[in-house]
Amino acid sequence: EVQLVESGGGLVQPGGSLRLSCVASGFTFSDHYMDWVRQAPGKGLEWVGRIRKKANSYTTEYVASVKGRFTISRDDSKNSLYLQMDTLETEDTAVYYCARGGPYSPMDVWGQGTTVTVSS
Amino acid sequence: DIQLTQSPSFLSASVGDRVTITCRASQGISSYLAWYQQKPGKAPKLLIYAASTLQSGVPSRFSGSGSGTEFTLTISSLQPEDFAIYYCQQLKSYPPTFGQGTKLEIK
Repeated sequence: EVQLVESGGGLVQPGGSLRLSCVASGFTFSDHYMDWVRQAPGKGLEWVGRIRKKANSYTTEYVASVKGRFTISRDDSKNSLYLQMDTLETEDTAVYYCARGGPYSPMDVWGQGTTVTVSS
Repeated sequence: DIQLTQSPSFLSASVGDRVTITCRASQGISSYLAWYQQKPGKAPKLLIYAASTLQSGVPSRFSGSGSGTEFTLTISSLQPEDFAIYYCQQLKSYPPTFGQGTKLEIK
């Protein structure tokens, strides 16, 4: 079964850091671009960022609101995707989903999401 | 950034109805558009990509059309499990933005 499972969410104070993980199974993780998408409480979906595969030098893209604060990485040997979130703001409170993507391609596999709450 | 505007934002309909949701892009995106369905507390589910290609396993009552700046998602005969929020997403350029969503409710 193709599956993505996120972990690492929790409560953090403004200005703090958190690292989310996403473990993939059921497909060849290293062959795919991977994305992070978030959803603030009661709001719509917002794409956060992407990491390409090895053949594309693991390059990354980010939405402007997180650029310089968030870093996406991956470990293909562990079928794992990561989102390092630094200098967190209350506006970063959301459910964070990892998803399988691709160039000009939709996100066809999604994890169940992990909740991040930034509050003092 | 490319803006996507969905209409309507809320839609009330009955089982068996035919419904159409529109997604308009602020600039041309060819056919680089996907549609997702999201139910409460669940992750989004891909329904349609490349504007009109049905994702594997998605019922044939769902269909998509359009290119350029105007796109539609049609559900030919609503089933009880179709009441959810629907989002369009453009994949033409970064960031791959989503529409604001259309909430489909039972009348």
